[in-house]
Formats: sequence, C-alpha cells, structure tokens
Amino acid sequence: DTAVSQTPKYLVTQMGNDKSIKCEQNLGHDTMYWYKQDSKKFLKIMFSYNNKELIINETVPNRFSPKSPDKAHLNLHINSLELGDSAVYFCASSQVRAGGQNNEQFFGPGTRLTVL
Amino acid sequence: GNSVTQMEGPVTLSEEAFLTINCTYTATGYPSLFWYVQYPGEGLQLLLKATKADDKGSNKGFEATYRKETTSFHLEKGSVQVSDSAVYFCALVERGSTLGRLYFGRGTQLTVWP
Repeated sequence: DTAVSQTPKYLVTQMGNDKSIKCEQNLGHDTMYWYKQDSKKFLKIMFSYNNKELIINETVPNRFSPKSPDKAHLNLHINSLELGDSAVYFCASSQVRAGGQNNEQFFGPGTRLTVL
Repeated sequence: GNSVTQMEGPVTLSEEAFLTINCTYTATGYPSLFWYVQYPGEGLQLLLKATKADDKGSNKGFEATYRKETTSFHLEKGSVQVSDSAVYFCALVERGSTLGRLYFGRGTQLTVWP
C-alpha cells in the first residue's frame, strides 16, 4: 500500500528525446506537486495541481508539461530533453486544509533522470 | 516573502554525539514549520512539525522548538546513530495558504560514523 508512487524509478535517455514520468497517490489528497532535486540536493518546486487545476507554475521551461487526468494522478511530460534536465524528480501530495496548518506533503520515491 | 535558511553541510559526527542543525525562517504570515528527512535513495519523509509558537515537535529522538521571537526551528538530537545519516530539510507553509506550498531550506547532509 504505497502512498505516493512514481514510475519509472530510473530513466536514462538521449538528448532530444521526449519522456514521461507518472505519479499516483492513493491517499485521497486533493493537491499534487512536482519537484526537481539537483545534484546538491536543492529542491525546487515546479508545478502543483489542486483538483486537476494548475495552481503553481514556477519558472520552468515550457518543454515541461504536467497533466492531471484525475485527482489521484499527476504526470510529467518532458519534450526535447537536455543535459541540464538530469536530476531526481519527486512527486508529492497533500490535503490542503483551510488555515494551512498541517499541510504535510507526502513524497514519492523519486525518478532519477539521466540525459546523455 | 517566505524563505528558509539552514546551516550549510555537510555535518560529520561520531555515533552518540550531540546534533544541532540550525534553521531560521522569514514569513509574511504565521507559518507552520517542518523538518523532513531524506535517507539515501529515498524520497522525503516528515520527521516532525510544529504549528504554533513554543510548540515542540519530536520524533525518533529528534526535537525542534518553534521560536517566534528568534524565527528559528533548530533540529536537535542528543545521541546520533549511524542510521541517522541522511539529508535534513527545514520547511515552512504559510498558514491560510490555499496552495499548501512548502518552502524548503537547501538541506543539510548529516553523516554519522561508528
């Protein structure tokens, strides 16, 4: 009973290719997120969806396109991959409560993307 | 704006040593504060949290107290173990936020030697 799952765990691909990473949560949460973690462990938020609506869209190249078919899924599609896209990508989910007091986020195990 | 500053790593300790990882924050509102831990090869897990001033969060021997006067949330453990080796992230969420957005510090790598 994994709470937040991502596939694949590892992704090795050539520059210029298009790839997707899938994320699913079975926690019944209404909000999902994508983060990028660089080699120095710095976490940068990329996108967030609430009930399938985009609510956070940070400065990310438009080669990155999130898609949320339903509340439980948030996929990340990347076009024309570049060397600098190599990183670990984490999906997360939370239940955003009024007052924002306990918005704990639950993270997936990560997808390590290597662009050659 | 909202931001979190935590001490630069890496931190290297011997087993049973005392640990402090400093974390300070700036926030436009009244935030809730968190420490997350990332073990090698894994995603982040919530370690502890505090939602109001003077609250103490604790878990697995780790503690942190929400200090509004110094805008700090330092992580402490009295006696670290090899299994505590991980990256630790301090984070905040602004109360009332409809986005539930977490603001993370840059992470502190802890290595504990036997």
